[in-house]
Amino acid sequence: GAVVSQHPSRVICKSGTSVKIECRSLDFQATTMFWYRQFPKQSLMLMATSNEGSKATYEQGVEKDKFLINHASLTLSTLTVTSAHPEDSSFYICSARGLREETQYFGPGTRLLVL
Amino acid sequence: AQSVTQPDIHITVSEGASLELRCNYSYGATPYLFWYVQSPGQGLQLLLKYFSGDTLVQGIKGFEAEFKRSQSSFNLRKPSVHWSDAAEYFCAVGLNQAGTALIFGKGTTLSVSS
Repeated sequence: GAVVSQHPSRVICKSGTSVKIECRSLDFQATTMFWYRQFPKQSLMLMATSNEGSKATYEQGVEKDKFLINHASLTLSTLTVTSAHPEDSSFYICSARGLREETQYFGPGTRLLVL
Repeated sequence: AQSVTQPDIHITVSEGASLELRCNYSYGATPYLFWYVQSPGQGLQLLLKYFSGDTLVQGIKGFEAEFKRSQSSFNLRKPSVHWSDAAEYFCAVGLNQAGTALIFGKGTTLSVSS
């Protein structure tokens, strides 16, 4: 099956700094990538949808200036958490979908801890 | 509004016993339905999916699920559970024709006792 990677897998940062998370589709071209956030013992909540070459579409309640998403190529999307606060600590998971694909393939997730 | 309900938060099954995880959805159109499994600290792995056709779908690791439109359900089953099946299971529905953005249920934690 299709493989999606995320980097880093785990990151600890200080409050007020910015953190960039990469999501890559390794063996297919991802026309659409999704970013989810998962709190402990809870489900995944969609944060935003990004299509290659265009601006991301954010879900209601997600601050686009805080969670910057870039989808500059068909194999890479990045999520930058700007001016991170402790409440941004969470598990961030990306998924990718190829053209004419109905299935999303998920990355392994990135655990962010903001101190 | 679209929603997915997984009524069971936590289920414990003896190894070798059968398993059924429940999933109910609320969606106006023909749904695209998925079951994913998540091991601790890991991403999601697709177990199986339903788009159309035969309402009983087979997935990986011996799992199957049956789509019942009349009950708005897509329950996951396995005839004999292995200890390695202990994980978090998520049911999800695709929101549109291309099955893009997914809405997830809250998940069911499966524990397997020996």
